[in-house]
Amino acid sequence: KAGVTQTPRYLIKTRGQQVTLSCSPISGHRSVSWYQQTPGQGLQFLFEYFSETQRNKGNFPGRFSGRQFSNSRSEMNVSTLELGDSALYLCASSLERDRESYFGPGTRLTVT
Amino acid sequence: AQKVTQAQTEISVVEKEDVTLDCVYETRDTTYYLFWYKQPPSGELVFLIRRNSFDEQNEISGRYSWNFQKSTSSFNFTITASQVVDSAVYFCALSELFTGGGNKLTFGTGTQLKVEL
Repeated sequence: KAGVTQTPRYLIKTRGQQVTLSCSPISGHRSVSWYQQTPGQGLQFLFEYFSETQRNKGNFPGRFSGRQFSNSRSEMNVSTLELGDSALYLCASSLERDRESYFGPGTRLTVT
Repeated sequence: AQKVTQAQTEISVVEKEDVTLDCVYETRDTTYYLFWYKQPPSGELVFLIRRNSFDEQNEISGRYSWNFQKSTSSFNFTITASQVVDSAVYFCALSELFTGGGNKLTFGTGTQLKVEL
């Protein structure tokens, strides 16, 4: 079974721009979560989607948004990029019943 | 609020030594899940184990073993006979369960394990 895939793997953007990251979950997984990893703040929960609905949200500004499609694929969007948004963005998928989250390789975003 | 503490920032051992990574957690929930993940330099978080709050049995998987003690809110991870390939950052995480369902992991700050020849 294929694992979680994320595209692109690397991205360089300029302050003020916006970016969209994509995540394809493991087949059959309907829950998709996003996490931000930075050296200063560590791993932080952004939001979780289930059946195309945002079910839970972390403490991030409204510039961070996401959506989920009917095939469970998810996108995350960051608008008006700031230098502090430079991070590794990790996507995880899981089955509802066992709560084991499986992570993708991440997208490394650099904002200059 | 949930909290996970990994007090060991970095550990260095020589190959074949045993090493234990500590994890202490805080939660008000009576039902919760604990996890360990491995993050090699490539960046991907690799799932190692899940333990629910009602199952305090220790678990062994090859060279890996986990000791869950609810009384001390600890979930420690031991690697026996460490190998260079074990070098990575290891994260302990706690799952918060929401009434409406859902998955949110609170991670510790990670322990960088370096295994040298």
